[in-house]
Amino acid sequence: EIVLTQSPGTLSLSPGERATLSCRPSHNLMSNYMAWYQQKPGQAPRLLIFGPSTRATGIPDRFSASGSGTDFTLTISRLEPEDSAVYYCQQYGNTPLFSFGPGTTVEI
Amino acid sequence: QVQLQESGPGLVKPSETLSLTCSVSGDSINNYHWSWIRQPPGKELEWIGYFYDSGSTTYNPSLQSRVIMSLDTSENQISLKVKSVVAADTAVYYCARVGYSYGRAHFDHWGQGILVTVSS
Repeated sequence: EIVLTQSPGTLSLSPGERATLSCRPSHNLMSNYMAWYQQKPGQAPRLLIFGPSTRATGIPDRFSASGSGTDFTLTISRLEPEDSAVYYCQQYGNTPLFSFGPGTTVEI
Repeated sequence: QVQLQESGPGLVKPSETLSLTCSVSGDSINNYHWSWIRQPPGKELEWIGYFYDSGSTTYNPSLQSRVIMSLDTSENQISLKVKSVVAADTAVYYCARVGYSYGRAHFDHWGQGILVTVSS
């Protein structure tokens, strides 16, 4: 079973700073594919990035992603107040077929 | 633009069956694949199951003995049933559309979610 570990648990930063969020699968995914979601309180998750680094429709270029195997990163450059949210990574293709990390809370 | 809307009872008694429906507008459910995902209050997301290729399903092994997903193409709806519920099944339940890229999958559209509480 693949377990995704996200770190840090909480990230407190100021507007304009850069946030670096980590997602580490328990086993090598043998892929550079990871999906990332943003969830604000009381809302459904929103797809941010999928694949190596493809932003979903309407997602600003402040959001970027990279990584492969057992080490994936979501970067938010130039943080804005509306970026306060919980960010989840999600893998596909292992057991279970889909799974999510526990999330990183970004406080601005 | 496709829109998803979950509906169903907000309160279910322990040992009973939780039944939810996801109504899809803006496109035919036959054109895509679909999943249900849940999130206990204050906790992380848990994938429940995946409906694809005209009737095929794959469920999370942790839930597969109690879960059934189905499609109603005449109503453009996806349904979820969870049998023998317990308090730990209390969660916000989301339906989501599956998108694909590079041979992998993600969830590109989500419903707003519905809170289901299991309590007597």
